[in-house]
Amino acid sequence: AQSVTQLGSHVSVSEGALVLLRCNYSSSVPPYLFWYVQYPNQGLQLLLKFTTGATLVKGINGFEAEFKKSETSFHLTKPSAHMSDAAEYFCAVSITSGTYKYIFGTGTRLKVLA
Amino acid sequence: DAMVIQNPRYQVTQFGKPVTLSCSQTLNHNVMYWYQQKSSQAPKLLFHYYDKDFNNEADTPDNFQSRRPNTSFCFLDIRSPGLGDAAMYLCATESLAGPDEQFFGPGTRLTVL
Repeated sequence: AQSVTQLGSHVSVSEGALVLLRCNYSSSVPPYLFWYVQYPNQGLQLLLKFTTGATLVKGINGFEAEFKKSETSFHLTKPSAHMSDAAEYFCAVSITSGTYKYIFGTGTRLKVLA
Repeated sequence: DAMVIQNPRYQVTQFGKPVTLSCSQTLNHNVMYWYQQKSSQAPKLLFHYYDKDFNNEADTPDNFQSRRPNTSFCFLDIRSPGLGDAAMYLCATESLAGPDEQFFGPGTRLTVL
């Protein structure tokens, strides 16, 4: 069965510092992987996704993630944090059962310190 | 811009008083999802429609119902809201023809008094 683990429910970084949000998955089949961001009282916005092809995926707002099959990981990074990056981040894996239902991680709240 | 719209953004109801949340889309996607998200938690899938085919998650309470009268609209009905139903409700859409992702609306925050 598929599952998603996000290490660290809260992460704090200084403005300008590297952002690293961790996501590990388990899947019996090649997964589709996603990172979404959620601002307070808003829906989820797609940052980036991995389906097939290049394992280093670039997304919006300067974020990128690398699919590492050997480590079953899909960590999200950004070289330099901005105050506007403060939000909740969700990693998700999709399972194919007619439709692409998601399994979400528990989320990581990113705080950016001035 | 094509989008997913949820109305209202904020809804207040009384304990036990039925409430309906609405979702509309201009994306012409054939799949629509309803999620419940409680504070500091991941979204939890309640059910989804694949065209007119309704798919209920096994642990979705009977108190929650849904209607999809056409491709563009989907409704979430809570027949007798309890205090534990206070949450953000998210609608999402997907096209099985691609691009392999769900598109989310802004959500409706439900308060139960």
